[in-house]
Amino acid sequence: IAGITQAPTSQILAAGRRMTLRCTQDMRHNAMYWYRQDLGLGLRLIHYSNTAGTTGKGEVPDGYSVSRANTDDFPLTLASAVPSQTSVYFCASSDAGGNEQFFGPGTRLTVL
Amino acid sequence: GQNIDQPTEMTATEGAIVQINCTYQTSGFNGLFWYQQHAGEAPTFLSYNVLDGLEEKGRFSSFLSRSKGYSYLLLKELQMKDSASYLCAVQLSGNTPLVFGKGTRLSVIA
Repeated sequence: IAGITQAPTSQILAAGRRMTLRCTQDMRHNAMYWYRQDLGLGLRLIHYSNTAGTTGKGEVPDGYSVSRANTDDFPLTLASAVPSQTSVYFCASSDAGGNEQFFGPGTRLTVL
Repeated sequence: GQNIDQPTEMTATEGAIVQINCTYQTSGFNGLFWYQQHAGEAPTFLSYNVLDGLEEKGRFSSFLSRSKGYSYLLLKELQMKDSASYLCAVQLSGNTPLVFGKGTRLSVIA
């Protein structure tokens, strides 16, 4: 692993289904983030974690949950997907102090 | 709320210079970042300004005026590969997530 990886690359999901997007980094960064990117709206923060064991809500947290059991992994869960959650999801990480954020390759999610 | 404004789209000619502006009105300021994002790819870091003035890095430069809430990204000797979206982002305080503008889509034409 080099940097940040996300899985799956893309997914088509039926509304009402549960889905977990995975994110793993090998840079030992303390902070990790989940953004969604929609045309015309830019990158919007969903949830973040400044260190393992802590999480915080971003601008658009409703319908999403996260956990940070260890430094490397930061999964994002949609408990019951809705069509408005169709988007491209990016995971990112940064070292302590919130310097440069490194982004994963993204997950394209379509909810039908 | 936090407000970060940048033009939606710009077009420039190969070999020319283009300036992409970003203005911000935020509840705090701990630094301003510029990212480049090619279509279908992840954003990648370009520059970081925390003090007033110009930071130069090859063909790219970034300027910050904290008193005016203003930054610009200057791209020189434009190449076709510079066609991308450019994202301005502000960090409100230490150890907080970045707040992104909506991005400027730059098209470089021959």
